[in-house]
Amino acid sequence: DTAVSQTPKYLVTQMGNDKSIKCEQNLGHDTMYWYKQDSKKFLKIMFSYNNKELIINETVPNRFSPKSPDKAHLNLHINSLELGDSAVYFCASSSRGDTQYFGPGTRLTVL
Amino acid sequence: AQSVTQLDSHVSVSEGTPVLLRCNYSSSYSPSLFWYVQHPNKGLQLLLKYTSAATLVKGINGFEAEFKKSETSFHLTKPSAHMSDAAEYFCVVSAGNFNKFYFGSGTKLNVKP
Repeated sequence: DTAVSQTPKYLVTQMGNDKSIKCEQNLGHDTMYWYKQDSKKFLKIMFSYNNKELIINETVPNRFSPKSPDKAHLNLHINSLELGDSAVYFCASSSRGDTQYFGPGTRLTVL
Repeated sequence: AQSVTQLDSHVSVSEGTPVLLRCNYSSSYSPSLFWYVQHPNKGLQLLLKYTSAATLVKGINGFEAEFKKSETSFHLTKPSAHMSDAAEYFCVVSAGNFNKFYFGSGTKLNVKP
């Protein structure tokens, strides 16, 4: 069983569209994260949820909205997509600052 | 404040020779330190972690790292590189607010035949 899964793996869309990326973890962790990895491989934290509560919200455009329906899920919704949103988005989970486990990533391409 | 500096953006070694990937950290608290590896078009996989136990930490695939508090370093080493080690490596620190992790900018390891 996959520990942290993301769907879709690839997402190609037009500027201005709205899209969602889903993340699920079956590790029983209480904290989940979204990261953005740019073309230079730099990883930037976007959001973190602990027990469904938002605890980290970095400087991210408000077009990005995370939603955590329960501890095992953290979805990312993006409105009005822009060219600069093209990147690989990683979901991760951990238990109170212990090891993070990463999903396989979602490669978003905005045309 | 916490931060991580990976001193080399690219490292190139020959197969069978030692690997050294350098990482320095800054932390106001006792840190937890991690090394992750990312193979091309893949997610991040944990290599090893330090959490205030033994200062020499052994990880998967023959990698190890030594925590040196006096030098604020956590360098990653491997005695003999293999072609399959070619990947991007990230040093990560977690401290204080234990839900936040700080990533280095990554070191790309190239292994020549």
